[in-house]
Amino acid sequence: SAVISQKPSRDICQRGTSLTIQCQVDSQVTMMFWYRQQPGQSLTLIATANQGSEATYESGFVIDKFPISRPNLTFSTLTVSNMSPEDSSIYLCSVADHSAGNTIYFGEGSWLTVV
Amino acid sequence: AQKITQTQPGMFVQEKEAVTLDCTYDTSDQSYGLFWYKQPSSGEMIFLIYQGSYDEQNATEGRYSLNFQKARKSANLVISASQLGDSAMYFCAMREDSGGYNKLIFGAGTRLAVHP
Repeated sequence: SAVISQKPSRDICQRGTSLTIQCQVDSQVTMMFWYRQQPGQSLTLIATANQGSEATYESGFVIDKFPISRPNLTFSTLTVSNMSPEDSSIYLCSVADHSAGNTIYFGEGSWLTVV
Repeated sequence: AQKITQTQPGMFVQEKEAVTLDCTYDTSDQSYGLFWYKQPSSGEMIFLIYQGSYDEQNATEGRYSLNFQKARKSANLVISASQLGDSAMYFCAMREDSGGYNKLIFGAGTRLAVHP
């Protein structure tokens, strides 16, 4: 199965600042996905990160708030900009492992607390 | 619209017994996939089991099995011989295979507590 590493695993951030989360996969993948999980809630897709093109954002999420980079087929970053306490969430990166029947795997998650 | 419903906010089970976590889904697609994930308090999402819409056999992975009833649009997770380490949140998710995307829609989750 694909091995996905995220950094940071946890962070406490001041409101108004920005933080970039990194996602590294041990194999090349076409698409990477970023999800948000607010406290006590389920997961919601933020955007799909495509290599070589702009990310595709879901309804309710915008590029100015969540800019995404995808410089190659094994790496992506998600930035949470101008943070407010409402951005306190777990942010998870995921990929589809084509060698495993397109099973979808997740990174360990990045816990952000905005104070 | 695609939807996943998990009607059990919380469940508890005695250690070594079996437990069934319910999941129903709604989609107009013929080709789709259903996943179950475990989320312990650490926050990671651990893949447990997958069922494709065209799979005729119910999926099994060790102590996990998926009771797939296509006509009822249900994909319940059965955990046999529960262990204390099974205490976690469990999420059912659906992927629609049309369009070549692999994004998931998640249910609200079920919190499972295993009692000794």
